[in-house]
Amino acid sequence: NAGVTQTPKFQVLKTGQSMTLQCAQDMNHNSMYWYRQDPGMGLRLIYYSASEGTTDKGEVPNGYNVSRLNKREFSLRLESAAPSQTSVYFCASSEFPGDGGDTQYFGPGTRLTVL
Amino acid sequence: AQKITQTQPGMFVQEKEAVTLDCTYDTSDQSYGLFWYKQPSSGEMIFLIYQGSYDEQNATEGRYSLNFQKARKSANLVISASQLGDSAMYFCAMREGPGGGFKTIFGAGTRLFVKA
Repeated sequence: NAGVTQTPKFQVLKTGQSMTLQCAQDMNHNSMYWYRQDPGMGLRLIYYSASEGTTDKGEVPNGYNVSRLNKREFSLRLESAAPSQTSVYFCASSEFPGDGGDTQYFGPGTRLTVL
Repeated sequence: AQKITQTQPGMFVQEKEAVTLDCTYDTSDQSYGLFWYKQPSSGEMIFLIYQGSYDEQNATEGRYSLNFQKARKSANLVISASQLGDSAMYFCAMREGPGGGFKTIFGAGTRLFVKA
């Protein structure tokens, strides 16, 4: 039982390049999330998927797109990377949508640098 | 408006002593959840404890307890008998209910240093 896995762990991009961050969970969770964490700050929600087939914007969605490929997988795409997107990206999943009590479990993070 | 406030950027505690990390929140939802996560220097986010807005008892998980004061909108984390391995960043988070779109918002964090 791996929990939440993310690939890659590290990535360096040049401005304007595109890439997709992959996330998968094996806990049969309904909801999945993408966050970014900038130095010295808490996590900010980029996009989330309350259930398979749905996605919604979070606090900082600009410059990103997501795909909920199936129940297990939720990918984050940067179409044209910018230095402001240099950050650590965390994927998370939780069991229930819409329940104030559902705990989110996090992947190990992807450290992205955009030059 | 900031919805989760952690006013202590850094805290020091002596090993084996208790420490309280402060968290205040703001929401108009009646149903919400409050969480604390630990982030060690290795970077992973570790779930520590959860408190539901309708829970009357304060949550406890081993050495962690959540001091929930609903009227004051505070959800402080208490770590008893601190250990060196408790040195880390600690984040308070709130999962809003329907009014907030069920989103989770994190505070800026408190860095805890445990001294031997």
